[in-house]
Amino acid sequence: QKEVEQNSGPLSVPEGAIASLNCTYSDRGSQSFFWYRQYSGKSPELIMSIYSNGDKEDGRFTAQLNKASQYVSLLIRDSQPSDSATYLCAVGTSYGKLTFGQGTILTVHP
Amino acid sequence: GAGVSQSPSNKVTEKGKDVELRCDPISGHTALYWYRQSLGQGLEFLIYFQGNSAPDKSGLPSDRFSAERTGGSVSTLTIQRTQQEDSAVYLCASSPVGLAGGPFQETQYFGPGTRLLVL
Repeated sequence: QKEVEQNSGPLSVPEGAIASLNCTYSDRGSQSFFWYRQYSGKSPELIMSIYSNGDKEDGRFTAQLNKASQYVSLLIRDSQPSDSATYLCAVGTSYGKLTFGQGTILTVHP
Repeated sequence: GAGVSQSPSNKVTEKGKDVELRCDPISGHTALYWYRQSLGQGLEFLIYFQGNSAPDKSGLPSDRFSAERTGGSVSTLTIQRTQQEDSAVYLCASSPVGLAGGPFQETQYFGPGTRLLVL
């Protein structure tokens, strides 16, 4: 079993819809959770970080964390074509490294 | 302010040659990380520096890979006797404090990467 699992997609949604990206992790000691966006040929850029159970909202983005279920998700409201990218879920423990999922390819079509 | 920088941006080398990849972290960031991303894959952790020491080098794939950091700033990743399977994008990231900051992992800021192609 992979440490961090994401559906590779591609996930295709129409412009204006809600995109839902999911991630599960295996290490119950994980403390920190991140969503990065990566455009083709570019380096990852941080979208959201979340540390506590529940929801965290930032503009059109909402991260949801459920440590009991070892599940973290990212919702993108009012999806735009510019949101088309690979979304990487990353999980951190207390000792300095992030473990990344394989990434979900999101395509937002006009 | 300046972000994480890496050089070279692209490197083409022949199998068996040695290569050096450089990372300049954000000024003042004590933690530095190297990752590798193969085509269509997620990021694979290689090594973590806290200051000049490397508490976690568990991700280095073989003894052909080594890394050092001097002055708590610049880091160099060296790959000796390169193989075709070493072809990938090598990403460097930094964060303000890292392990010393407590149990919660801080945001890591990534550089643009070095695209390595071994022929």
